[in-house]
Amino acid sequence: EPEVTQTPSHQVTQMGQEVILRCVPISNHLYFYWYRQILGQKVEFLVSFYNNEISEKSEIFDDQFSVERPDGSNFTLKIRSTKLEDSAMYFCASRATGPPDTQYFGPGTRLTVL
Amino acid sequence: QQQVKQSPQSLIVQKGGISIINCAYENTAFDYFPWYQQFPGKGPALLIAIRPDVSEKKEGRFTISFNKSAKQFSLHIMDSQPGDSATYFCAASRGFQKLVFGTGTRLLVSP
Repeated sequence: EPEVTQTPSHQVTQMGQEVILRCVPISNHLYFYWYRQILGQKVEFLVSFYNNEISEKSEIFDDQFSVERPDGSNFTLKIRSTKLEDSAMYFCASRATGPPDTQYFGPGTRLTVL
Repeated sequence: QQQVKQSPQSLIVQKGGISIINCAYENTAFDYFPWYQQFPGKGPALLIAIRPDVSEKKEGRFTISFNKSAKQFSLHIMDSQPGDSATYFCAASRGFQKLVFGTGTRLLVSP
């Protein structure tokens, strides 16, 4: 069964450093999403992406964040200057343009900012 | 208006019992209501989902009940098993837009 993959599984970085989280969505999906989950809390939406542009973003997704689809398979989330409060699990999700309406989630990247 | 409220926060059920988790939403534009199951260190995995044009959907031991007029929906897990111990999130969305998640319910099924 096709699945969303994410790399790395765990990223440790120093405050102020840039990080890039990578995702490979399911191959025939065209809608892509990033969510994050602070330990023990609910899953929060960051940004959605379709047709090579951002379709929606949350208030969390400020100028420090950017997304890109650099080629036909990868979808990346970049945090330019990490803060301590960026420490969280980051999940990529994708969905097809037709049914089912399900967003399929990857296993996540645990980001630890020291 | 974008919130989805979920209860209880945690739940302990005996093996073989029924687990019930409730959610309520405010935005009547939502048209898709999935439940996700999450094990520690893993991503949310779709369990079952419903659209507002039906009042109930059953898949194996899992049933969603949906009350459109009350803007509430619930997950029932019949014959709960220790392997069902996980965190369960309800969510809602409209079209291709973001999922709005509930706060999660940590379920423990005791042997």
